[in-house]
Amino acid sequence: QSALIQPVSVSGSPGHSVTMSCTGTSSDVGAYNHVSWYQHHPGEAPKLIIYDVTKRPSGVSDRFSASKSGNTASLTISGLQSEDEADYFCNSYTKSSTYVFGTGTKVTV
Amino acid sequence: QVQLVESGGGLVGPGGSLRLSCAASGTRFGDYYMTWIRRAPGKGMEWIAYVGSSNSYTNYADSVEGRFTISRDDARNSVFLQMNNLRGEDSAVYYCAGADWSVTAALESWGQGTLVTVSS
Repeated sequence: QSALIQPVSVSGSPGHSVTMSCTGTSSDVGAYNHVSWYQHHPGEAPKLIIYDVTKRPSGVSDRFSASKSGNTASLTISGLQSEDEADYFCNSYTKSSTYVFGTGTKVTV
Repeated sequence: QVQLVESGGGLVGPGGSLRLSCAASGTRFGDYYMTWIRRAPGKGMEWIAYVGSSNSYTNYADSVEGRFTISRDDARNSVFLQMNNLRGEDSAVYYCAGADWSVTAALESWGQGTLVTVSS
């Protein structure tokens, strides 16, 4: 149950875009389309922003987009805003019927 | 979606026990797979355990297998985490979260968390 690998931090200017990766294995990210992304402002409840690799829940800004290729998923935030400054975690369901989170990426605007 | 509120956190000594509760409101709680996740200070998210509908199935992370037990009471719209033989590395904010597997495996509903501190 090794954590998925994410960059520790990414940063960008307001209005610009940032992309972060999430690298797993053929037993998790590469196994199913059960990859999701969460935004977490410490002290608050984490928020689902992407599910099933590319889908956005109702109410989530279309500035968030995601994709997957093989064992690596990616999240892009376009038109960066100050409120996007948070920790972002990817997650995947695995062949062992468990969930595994990424190591987390801190986004600085 | 369901709304979730955790309780039961606190300070406990190494080797001690705590029971966390998560109360849900909203419809169709029984259809949700319920999970516990934790985040230690300065660390990332760690999935701990989940329980299927009607206590049909449970699974645990290696780090807590044999020490923690997840259960649910659908009549009370609640899920629980019994934590035994606690260690310092179990100190974290514990979140409950729910997934409606008829839609997605993603954890669409989260609580605000309850803090567990293991220290002498």
